[in-house]
Amino acid sequence: ETGVTQSPTHLIKTRGQQVTLRCSSQSGHNTVSWYQQALGQGPQFIFQYYREEENGRGNFPPRFSGLQFPNYSSELNVNALELDDSALYLCASSAGRDSGNTIYFGEGSWLTVV
Amino acid sequence: RKEVEQDPGPFNVPEGATVAFNCTYSNSASQSFFWYRQDCRKEPKLLMSVYSSGNEDGRFTAQLNRASQYISLLIRDSKLSDSATYLCVVSLFSGSARQLTFGSGTQLTVLP
Repeated sequence: ETGVTQSPTHLIKTRGQQVTLRCSSQSGHNTVSWYQQALGQGPQFIFQYYREEENGRGNFPPRFSGLQFPNYSSELNVNALELDDSALYLCASSAGRDSGNTIYFGEGSWLTVV
Repeated sequence: RKEVEQDPGPFNVPEGATVAFNCTYSNSASQSFFWYRQDCRKEPKLLMSVYSSGNEDGRFTAQLNRASQYISLLIRDSKLSDSATYLCVVSLFSGSARQLTFGSGTQLTVLP
């Protein structure tokens, strides 16, 4: 158990809808990152939050947005869903941004867009 | 060109075999290096960090060559439980964010 919990575990949405995925980071972890993993691919970095601020973003359009709350839990929001958004969405937390901090992944949220 | 490239696989090996995975990365600013293991429909889990001096953890040996931007993983005496996808991962800072960049993974099946 990594102490990182995500919800929901599985969901199905229709193209054009919006979705919110949630992540509760390990206790004391102030850094949360989100990754998208399409079938047959490695995870791709979406963005990172550090102490409630987005401090880095991968190559994803603005319809991917997020929040981090004072308790360091986080949300990933995706608007105007497209079929290609179907993927496993992974939340990862760490105690800081330094390279020495181990990154722990949650079990992920499986999103299917139909 | 992908930032992290791995052997395409899949690798199907008998129990007890030795198997080697290779990986190259393109960004010379990469700072940390890892191998992750991912079981089917599960999250990636850290297998081991990789250092230039080479490091070993039981049956697993990892090696990093910064000059050639090459990372390897050697698994000796393969077990059925080693069957999984192995992901080569590099870490670097993009702005102030620490970002992990993953390869596409190499699938290993250890056969009885």
